[in-house]
Amino acid sequence: DAGVTQSPTHLIKTRGQQVTLRCSPKSGHDTVSWYQQALGQGPQFIFQYYEEEERQRGNFPDRFSGHQFPNYSSELNVNALLLGDSALYLCASTPYRPGNTGELFFGEGSRLTVL
Amino acid sequence: AQSVTQPDIHITVSEGASLELRCNYSYGATPYLFWYVQSPGQGLQLLLKYFSGDTLVQGIKGFEAEFKRSQSSFNLRKPSVHWSDAAEYFCAVGYQAGTALIFGKGTTLSVSS
Repeated sequence: DAGVTQSPTHLIKTRGQQVTLRCSPKSGHDTVSWYQQALGQGPQFIFQYYEEEERQRGNFPDRFSGHQFPNYSSELNVNALLLGDSALYLCASTPYRPGNTGELFFGEGSRLTVL
Repeated sequence: AQSVTQPDIHITVSEGASLELRCNYSYGATPYLFWYVQSPGQGLQLLLKYFSGDTLVQGIKGFEAEFKRSQSSFNLRKPSVHWSDAAEYFCAVGYQAGTALIFGKGTTLSVSS
């Protein structure tokens, strides 16, 4: 059973560029969340997608956008990159059903470096 | 606003010694509580969780945690630490199943021989 997979694992961009990160949820999971983890910090919630719609959003600017596809996979897009966007971006999935105990299953992340 | 505090940034424990990592949360109702572990360059792995029932919960790798409502705490413990336990540990809280988790800043655990 494949877990949460993310791509790419590492990437380097320059300020002002745009980036797209991809995530495939764990089998049987239909809800995908994205988190940003800056160096030395805990993960910060960006947004969550369910049924191809953004259901919840954290305190991130509109430069951060996402998408969920019919197969439940998801993309995170960041426009006009800033140096401060350098971080590990984590994707997490969970099943949206009664009895869900709320735990998230995380991928290994995409390490973004902005120069 | 909900928040999670992990007071200890870095802890060093001798191999074989006991461990306790502290976590305090700020939330009105009983939250969903989690401990995750992160090895360098890796994603997060769930150690254990609490959302109702017995306040002492058992997790993987010999870890346990106790929910204390009166203290708004959910401390992680292990009776005997192994060198492979060296990692970053995060406490997290959610107010509803499947919604966003709020993470603490983490505690780095080093294990000395």
